[in-house]
Amino acid sequence: QKEVEQDPGPLSVPEGAIVSLNCTYSNSAFQYFMWYRQYSRKGPELLMYTYSSGNKEDGRFTAQVDKSSKYISLFIRDSQPSDSATYLCAMSTTPGGGNKLTFGTGTQLKVEL
Amino acid sequence: GAVVSQHPSRVICKSGTSVKIECRSLDFQATTMFWYRQFPKQSLMLMATSNEGSKATYEQGVEKDKFLINHASLTLSTLTVTSAHPEDSSFYICSALRDDPSEQYFGPGTRLTVT
Repeated sequence: QKEVEQDPGPLSVPEGAIVSLNCTYSNSAFQYFMWYRQYSRKGPELLMYTYSSGNKEDGRFTAQVDKSSKYISLFIRDSQPSDSATYLCAMSTTPGGGNKLTFGTGTQLKVEL
Repeated sequence: GAVVSQHPSRVICKSGTSVKIECRSLDFQATTMFWYRQFPKQSLMLMATSNEGSKATYEQGVEKDKFLINHASLTLSTLTVTSAHPEDSSFYICSALRDDPSEQYFGPGTRLTVT
């Protein structure tokens, strides 16, 4: 069993839809949770960073962490074609992944006009 | 924001040759940098942690004699793929750790193709 599980997709939605992306994990030591966006043939870009359980909102993006269920989510409201990318969840036992980041496989998202 | 560059962005080499990839933190100093490998439609897999002035720490299953890492300054780490083979073809991504706040910033990646 992988430490972090993420549905690879692809996920196709119409413009304006609410997108829900999810990851589950097995290591209860993970305390810090991140979502990265990766465009094709580019490096990952940090979108959201949360610590422990709870919600965090930044513009159209909301990150949720449920440590009791070992489940994290990223919601994208009013999705745009420019949101089309691969979204990777990542987790760490130390702040900011100073020790090591463990990534999910990434979910490929396509937002269609 | 923090910027990390990689050079080259793409390289094609023949089997048996060595290739060097550079990772630079452009506007901050990084005592720690990380090297990842990503196969198509797969996740980033950490290869090694590079610490300035000391030996790199390799993940299990990564051959340290094949993937040579040098972190000679606070802004530069290099990965050399020695005696490259077609199975080494992949997307190599580095990240640099900024201390305050603690966060990894990723480079744009290097596409290596070994023919």
